[in-house]
Amino acid sequence: GIQVEQSPPDLILQEGANSTLRCNFSDSVNNLQWFHQNPWGQLINLFYIPSGTKQNGRLSATTVATERYSLLYISSSQTTDSGVYFCAVEFSWRSQGNLIFGKGTKLSVKP
Amino acid sequence: SQTIHQWPATLVQPVGSPLSLECTVEGTSNPNLYWYRQAAGRGLQLLFYSVGIGQISSEVPQNLSASRPQDRQFILSSKKLLLSDSGFYLCAWRSGRTEQYFGPGTRLTVT
Repeated sequence: GIQVEQSPPDLILQEGANSTLRCNFSDSVNNLQWFHQNPWGQLINLFYIPSGTKQNGRLSATTVATERYSLLYISSSQTTDSGVYFCAVEFSWRSQGNLIFGKGTKLSVKP
Repeated sequence: SQTIHQWPATLVQPVGSPLSLECTVEGTSNPNLYWYRQAAGRGLQLLFYSVGIGQISSEVPQNLSASRPQDRQFILSSKKLLLSDSGFYLCAWRSGRTEQYFGPGTRLTVT
């Protein structure tokens, strides 16, 4: 079955709007990371968040490990937020940090 | 601070030709190293990982191989490329039980 599932697959926002991206995972995790892939393909680390809540500027993330989901919040979106957002997890039954990626949420922020 | 390099940035190779992609990490010792591939579409798939010099684990059977001749060097190779080897190849590292960091990637087109 699907191990890491992200929703929605695509999201179009007007500049200034807020959004919530969701990541569901199928088992207990050692590690969960959120990435932003920019138009050049670079994966930028946003959060390392196996549990709890973190904030970094306009972005924040929450992982509820017992319920097996994580949320990424983007507030006051800007055109530079456009790109693909990935959730990736290291399941507890895997070793050595091997990440399994979701299929991503493609975000387009219109001016 | 740590940095990760990949080269070449882009590569166009004919079917049946050999391949060598290189990844090096600076500013850390004995990292775990990873090769991922992102095919057309969005998902990233782990291909190989290494926990030390000469130690390679393969995640999926394929036409590729990996080697780690030095502590901070990871090489992805093929003796004969297939069309299906086209994609975006990303190298990553992590030290200890922390987050993974990705290199800028190599975009490979097999013609």
